[in-house]
Amino acid sequence: KAGVTQTPRYLIKTRGQQVTLSCSPISGHRSVSWYQQTPGQGLQFLFEYFSETQRNKGNFPGRFSGRQFSNSRSEMNVSTLELGDSALYLCASSLQAGGYNSPLHFGNGTRLTVT
Amino acid sequence: GENVEQHPSTLSVQEGDSAVIKCTYSDSASNYFPWYKQELGKRPQLIIDIRSNVGEKKDQRIAVTLNKTAKHFSLHITETQPEDSAVYFCAASSSTGNQFYFGTGTSLTVIP
Repeated sequence: KAGVTQTPRYLIKTRGQQVTLSCSPISGHRSVSWYQQTPGQGLQFLFEYFSETQRNKGNFPGRFSGRQFSNSRSEMNVSTLELGDSALYLCASSLQAGGYNSPLHFGNGTRLTVT
Repeated sequence: GENVEQHPSTLSVQEGDSAVIKCTYSDSASNYFPWYKQELGKRPQLIIDIRSNVGEKKDQRIAVTLNKTAKHFSLHITETQPEDSAVYFCAASSSTGNQFYFGTGTSLTVIP
């Protein structure tokens, strides 16, 4: 099975711009989560989607948004970029069947640099 | 919300020695605790996990223990090898949905 695929791998943007990141989960996985990874804060939860519905949202400003399509692919959007948004953005998919938590399978991430 | 604390932040051991990483969590409703290994420049990968109805789980050189009463869980790596060098993250599940709270990571260095 192909793993979680994230595109692009690297992005350089300037302050005030917006950016869209894409994630294709493992085939059959309906849950897709997004995490921000920074050296000081570790992995911080952004949001989680299941069957096109956002089930959970982390403590991030409204500039961070996402969506999930019927094929389970997901996109994350960040508007009005700030320098502090520079980070590695990780997407993870999981099977999450039967109401039980299941392990996350991470993609390679998108490295966003805001200048 | 859940708060996960992880210690130590850095750990150096001689090859062949054991390494122990400890995490505590705050939400008693958390019921699933995975551990991830992240090598430099790579994605985090699951190495072992444990559910709240189990006290210990072992997979070759890696073991995880869980104390629900004290709300802490630990990763044990025995007979460490240089390829064990990486950053290790613990995580605890949220009581709502498939959301995880991660520790801040432990950078493990195994000295040959």
